[in-house]
Amino acid sequence: DGGITQSPKYLFRKEGQNVTLSCEQNLNHDAMYWYRQDPGQGLRLIYYSQIVNDFQKGDIAEGYSVSREKKESFPLTVTSAQKNPTAFYLCASRVGGSHEQYFGPGTRLTVT
Amino acid sequence: KQEVTQIPAALSVPEGENLVLNCSFTDSAIYNLQWFRQDPGKGLTSLLLIQSSQREQTSGRLNASLDKSSGRSTLYIAASQPGDSATYLCAVLRSGGGADGLTFGKGTHLIIQP
Repeated sequence: DGGITQSPKYLFRKEGQNVTLSCEQNLNHDAMYWYRQDPGQGLRLIYYSQIVNDFQKGDIAEGYSVSREKKESFPLTVTSAQKNPTAFYLCASRVGGSHEQYFGPGTRLTVT
Repeated sequence: KQEVTQIPAALSVPEGENLVLNCSFTDSAIYNLQWFRQDPGKGLTSLLLIQSSQREQTSGRLNASLDKSSGRSTLYIAASQPGDSATYLCAVLRSGGGADGLTFGKGTHLIIQP
């Protein structure tokens, strides 16, 4: 089945630790995205990548880092510099022609 | 800066009713507009995509319209069912497309009463 997978579904970390969230797609999409969702707020863009080995900051990139070594994979690292890391993180990829975005199931990160 | 607003924030209606969800955006220079559905604790499911040159799109009981000049879109749900209960999100992609991310509204939380 084609789609986007994110792992793990739930993640718990202690404050001060870095944590990496996985995102994999087998849709052969070039562009991939990371969004953050907080209760009562719309999704906000963290980082995006149009092609392998290239990525751009979104609206709230501070405290996050990404890599794009393979077309299928776009992992997100939440660093200790992120002040409020507890949130629901969603990965997406985009169809080339229509620019329609498809989303993964999300990872809920809790930092205590 | 593009801002997207969805009204109402929450809506509860009896099963079988037709309903309309509203979305407005401040910058009419958009490439496309997407409507999504989100169930609690889940990712987003794309419902309808309207390109900037289109006026509406239909899928089953769902119909989305777009008036780019006035910065408005509506999602019409016909003959609502309890399974339609979810949060509905509207998002726009700025003109030029590119690899930019979407700008989202905060969503409408919909409850369909059996």
